Formats: sequence, C-alpha cells, structure tokens
Amino acid sequence: GENVEQHPSTLSVQEGDSAVIKCTYSDSASNYFPWYKQELGKRPQLIIDIRSNVGEKKDQRIAVTLNKTAKHFSLHITETQPEDSAVYFCAAPIQGAQKLVFGQGTRLTINP
Amino acid sequence: GAVVSQHPSRVICKSGTSVKIECRSLDFQATTMFWYRQFPKQSLMLMATSNEGSKATYEQGVEKDKFLINHASLTLSTLTVTSAHPEDSSFYICSARGAGALTDTQYFGPGTRLTVL
Repeated sequence: GENVEQHPSTLSVQEGDSAVIKCTYSDSASNYFPWYKQELGKRPQLIIDIRSNVGEKKDQRIAVTLNKTAKHFSLHITETQPEDSAVYFCAAPIQGAQKLVFGQGTRLTINP
Repeated sequence: GAVVSQHPSRVICKSGTSVKIECRSLDFQATTMFWYRQFPKQSLMLMATSNEGSKATYEQGVEKDKFLINHASLTLSTLTVTSAHPEDSSFYICSARGAGALTDTQYFGPGTRLTVL
C-alpha cells in the first residue's frame, strides 16, 4: 500500500530563517499532495497543496515543490514567524481509493 | 467556504455507555467523509471512509460493530462509539470532501476529545 515518510520529526529554527520539511511517497500514481498545519488541540488546516502537473507552487511565505521522478515533495516556509510553530503533516492519496495517507508529522518550533 | 463542524467538542462518559459524534459540512455537499483517530503527538489514523447513502469502509483493525458510522445525507455523518471503554479515549476528527473543485481536498472538523472514565 501507499507509504508516506516525513522528515524531520522535529525542527527548530530561529525566527526569520527558513524551514524545510520533506516527504516521500511510494505510489507513482499519486497525483495530489496537500500539506496541513495543526496547532495544539485544533483541527488540521490545509495550508497549501500541489497537483502532479506542476513542479512548484507558492503562496506568500509558503511554497511546495514536487519531484515526481524521485517521488518526493517538500514544504518550504521562508521568513518564519512565531505563529508558524505547529505540527505539519504531508499526505498523498492512495490511487484508486478515496483516502489520503498522512506522514508522521513534523513539530516545527520557531525560536524568537 | 468549505467549513466542517463537529459536535460535541468534548465529551466525558462512563465506561459501557455509547457516544455519538456528529460531523457536518456547512457550506458544501460532502460526497465522502472520513473519520480519524489521533493519539497525543501522533499522526492521523484513518478509521473509516463513508460515502453518502452507502455503508462505510473500515480500515484494517477497526471494529465496525464498535465504531458505527452513518452518512445519511450529503452534509452529515455520525460516528457512534458503542460500549466505550477507557482505551477508546482519544481525539476523533472527521473530514469531508466535496465534488467538483473540492474533490481532492479534505477539510477537517475541529475534533472531539472523548474521555471514557
């Protein structure tokens, strides 16, 4: 079945620096890759997603890159701020099924 | 747009009782809803997938007789934890996926924290 590996599990960066979280997936037919941000005790919030027909997508300080050949995609956060501190999850669909498989999560801490 | 609500947000019950959790898509029709369980500091574990008007599809290891799922309309799915025990204590989150432009994206409810005494 589909497997999604996410690294690192924890990440601590200085405010203003960039943060990068990486995920790899196993199903080459996967065509949609969302990233969710979850603050403590709250719901996961979709922050950005990318489809397999593009290699990069950007939304202000957040960007996602996709390498279909290598089957990995990454979340990039620039000019980090304290409010970026949260747990981030990547996900990929199981082709032919309706469900997403989630990565293990990355706890991002922005140090002031 | 794409708002999902969940009720209740928190519930405490005695062992052996049943608890019903509701998940509603407020501004779109959810052709598919998903139920997840999340343990502290862990990822989202999919329990089941429900499509409106049909039986839910449960993930391996999830007891369908214990976790009853009903998706009676395009805006409402319910999860009933039957004969709850302390090991069922967890954070339960639903998500909903729509049609058309919303087909791929899952929007999550705020979650329900269940504590079984």
